[in-house]
Amino acid sequence: DQQVKQNSPSLSVQEGRISILNCDYTNSMFDYFLWYKKYPAEGPTFLISISSIKDKNEDGRFTVFLNKSAKHLSLHIVPSQPGDSAVYFCAASVVLDDKIIFGKGTRLHILP
Amino acid sequence: DTAVSQTPKYLVTQMGNDKSIKCEQNLGHDTMYWYKQDSKKFLKIMFSYNNKELIINETVPNRFSPKSPDKAHLNLHINSLELGDSAVYFCASSRTETQYFGPGTRLLVL
Repeated sequence: DQQVKQNSPSLSVQEGRISILNCDYTNSMFDYFLWYKKYPAEGPTFLISISSIKDKNEDGRFTVFLNKSAKHLSLHIVPSQPGDSAVYFCAASVVLDDKIIFGKGTRLHILP
Repeated sequence: DTAVSQTPKYLVTQMGNDKSIKCEQNLGHDTMYWYKQDSKKFLKIMFSYNNKELIINETVPNRFSPKSPDKAHLNLHINSLELGDSAVYFCASSRTETQYFGPGTRLLVL
């Protein structure tokens, strides 16, 4: 039973444009959400997070939006750069559980 | 300076062997984790330790035994390796909600 779903296995975006990666979750107990970026042959790297008490968190080119009623979050990258090409994992947790549940990942290709 | 390191990076071994993967973090974090990324690319938690004590133990065969000699280390020992154990194993550590991952150990069981 997938509690965190990333329904797009891959996404291609032109350099300079906005990349939007989507994530849905089923467990309404989740109260903390994270995005990780992963290059081949490396471990996932923390990118940005958001608590369930917020609906938006911004860090430079990266913004995460949370829609609790829809159980949906998205990661916006603008402008997209070649170095953004990677696999992006959405993750969710119940803070008191100390356990992160990961989505399957979306591979982002930034096209020149 | 590597924050979370794992050794070895690659491990190729025969079925039935016993092997260990080591993990060390120099972040001063209290909690460490082991994840398995299978062929379907799912990252699933296996174990977590807080201050050398086991706090999460997911449905993992008894052949997998984590050992935490101190707060900075969490090693994973696997007995009687099976073909299905082939995967990438990631170690991670955290102080708060954010976990920091090691580079992964690619295990191939032949």
